[in-house]
Amino acid sequence: EIVLTQSPDFQSVTPKEKVTITCRASQSIGSSLHWYQQKPDQSPKLLIKYASQSISGVPSRFSGSGSGTDFTLTINSLEAEDAATYYCHQSSSLPETFGQGTKLEIK
Amino acid sequence: EVQLVESGGGLVQPGGSLRLSCAASGFTFSSYWMHWVRQAPGKGLVWVSRINSDGSSTSYADSVKGRFTISRDNAKNTLYLQMNSLRAEDTAVYYCARGRVGARGGAIDYWGQGTLVTVSS
Repeated sequence: EIVLTQSPDFQSVTPKEKVTITCRASQSIGSSLHWYQQKPDQSPKLLIKYASQSISGVPSRFSGSGSGTDFTLTINSLEAEDAATYYCHQSSSLPETFGQGTKLEIK
Repeated sequence: EVQLVESGGGLVQPGGSLRLSCAASGFTFSSYWMHWVRQAPGKGLVWVSRINSDGSSTSYADSVKGRFTISRDNAKNTLYLQMNSLRAEDTAVYYCARGRVGARGGAIDYWGQGTLVTVSS
């Protein structure tokens, strides 16, 4: 099973700050890495697919990069509405797996 | 508009069974792989199972293999999850989610609102 390890687990940030969340895979997964945002009491929402591909309707301040084992989700100029938990997900091999999540708190 | 509406959750005793359903609309259901993902209270997302577009190929997490069965009825645009031999650790919100069209893997681009399954005596 491929283990995805996100860092940090929790981050408290101020509006307009730049945020970087990393996801490290226990073995190479190419670019089969996707990012989701989950706000309290809501279903997850797809932010980025295949490491760096943007999703229609997602604000351009969200971007992704990486390949192989190391991936990054970047949020430029954080807004208050970005308070949420962020998850990475690999679809390279079975079983599909998710990272443990990174909770962003807005100061 | 893509919609995924789960139903069938509830309280069940350990060792019991439950069948979840997910009614899909707003897209060509028979073309897409589908998933079940669960989330225990206050915890993270856990992938449970997936099924290919015609139902001929299924996969499961080790924690549910042999106890859960995913299936679909493309004529009814409905996805199912039959859950047997339920344990306390199966307590979670279960999400129905849409995968990729025509091929395995890929991102999950739409999620239902979830249905809560509680396993307790």
